Amino acid sequence: GAVVSQHPSRVICKSGTSVKIECRSLDFQATTMFWYRQFPKQSLMLMATSNEGSKATYEQGVEKDKFLINHASLTLSTLTVTSAHPEDSSFYICSARVGTDTQYFGPGTRLTVL
Amino acid sequence: QKEVEQNSGPLSVPEGAIASLNCTYSDRGSQSFFWYRQYSGKSPELIMSIYSNGDKEDGRFTAQLNKASQYVSLLIRDSQPSDSATYLCAVRNQAGTALIFGKGTTLSVSS
Repeated sequence: GAVVSQHPSRVICKSGTSVKIECRSLDFQATTMFWYRQFPKQSLMLMATSNEGSKATYEQGVEKDKFLINHASLTLSTLTVTSAHPEDSSFYICSARVGTDTQYFGPGTRLTVL
Repeated sequence: QKEVEQNSGPLSVPEGAIASLNCTYSDRGSQSFFWYRQYSGKSPELIMSIYSNGDKEDGRFTAQLNKASQYVSLLIRDSQPSDSATYLCAVRNQAGTALIFGKGTTLSVSS
């Protein structure tokens, strides 16, 4: 299957700081990437759909000014958590769409906000 | 409200048995269906996709889809301890581009 990488895999930051997470498609071009968040023992919750060259589409309840998404190239999307707080601590996972349907996931980034 | 429902489990089966995982979805217009496996602390990995009514087999895995009943299942034959994980059902509806996930079923295979 297609390979999607994420960086960093784990980050610990202080409350009030901003954290950037990168998602890359390594062996294919992805016009559409997705960002999910997963709390312990919960399912993946879609945060936003990231489209190359255009603004991201956010799901209801997700603050677009807090979770900044940039998809500047066909292989890179970034998620910036601005002014992070402890309640933002979670497992953030990106995925990239291949073809019309199939999504491949990155390994995830575990964010801990102290 | 578009929903994907799964029994959270845990589903416990002995090694070598068949594990049966079930999923129902609410959007009758859904077009594509996926099963992902997620180990603790890891991201999901795709096991199978299915688009048409009936069965689709891939090795020890068989996906079954019944659109009339809005039901999709995953059978794992000859279950192994390494199959112990959370299995996520995902559905793409007619209008959406993203996948909607169920909460997952935790499978435990004992040796």
